[in-house]
Amino acid sequence: QVQLQESGPGLVKPSGTLSLTCTVSGGSIISSDWWGWIRQPPGKALEWIGYIYFSGSTSYNPSLKSRVTMSVDTSKNQFSLNLSSVTALDTAVYYCARNPSGRANWFDPWGQGTLVTVSS
Amino acid sequence: QSVLTQAPSVSGAPGQRVTISCAGTSSNIGAGYAVHWYQQLPGTAPRLLIYANSNRPSGVPDRFSGSKSGTSASLAITGLQAEDEADYYCQSYDGSLSGSVFGGGTKLTVL
Repeated sequence: QVQLQESGPGLVKPSGTLSLTCTVSGGSIISSDWWGWIRQPPGKALEWIGYIYFSGSTSYNPSLKSRVTMSVDTSKNQFSLNLSSVTALDTAVYYCARNPSGRANWFDPWGQGTLVTVSS
Repeated sequence: QSVLTQAPSVSGAPGQRVTISCAGTSSNIGAGYAVHWYQQLPGTAPRLLIYANSNRPSGVPDRFSGSKSGTSASLAITGLQAEDEADYYCQSYDGSLSGSVFGGGTKLTVL
C-alpha cells in the first residue's frame, strides 16, 4: 500500500526558507490523486497548506499563498514544499498526505510527520 | 481560528456513547461537500476514521459512525473504550477558499 515519508531540516532560521520533501512508496505519484501538505503547531489544530497534482498544478491556502511553493519530481516519486520568510509561528509538525482522486476528498494515508522549529 | 467549529472537549465513561459535532457554513459543509473525520493519538499522525460523511475505511471498528445534515456533521462513538482517548478532527472542502478546511479538534477523555 502507499506510504509517505517526510524529510528535511528540523531547524530553520527566522526569515529563512523551510524546505521539505515527501517520498511516496508503494505506488506512483502519477495517478488521479492529489498530494497535500498539512501542518500542526504544537498543541494546536491541523492546518491545510496546499496540494499538488503530478502535472504540477497546485492549490494553496490563501493565508499562506504568498510564501508557499510546491513542486513535484515524478522521476523520484517525490513532491516538495517550500515556505519562505518563516517566523516562529511556522514552527509545527509538517505532514504530507495523499488526497485520493480529488481535492475535495479526504487525506489518506499520512506521513509520520516531521517537526520543524523556527529559531535562531 | 479554524473554519469548521468543534467543541474543545468531550468525555464519557467506558461503554457509553458520545458524539462529536462539526459546524460549518454554506461555503463548505452546507455547499454539499463531504465531511471526513480523523483520530489522532498522542504523538502520532492523524488516522482516517470516516470518509465521505459516513464511510469507514477497512480496519475501523463499526463503533465509529458519521453523519451529515445541513451545515453540520457528527461523529458518534459507541461502546467507549480507553483506547478511544484521542483528539478528533473533522475536515471538509471550502468552495470559497478552494481548499481543504479542518475543525479545531475535540479532545475525547474516557473517564
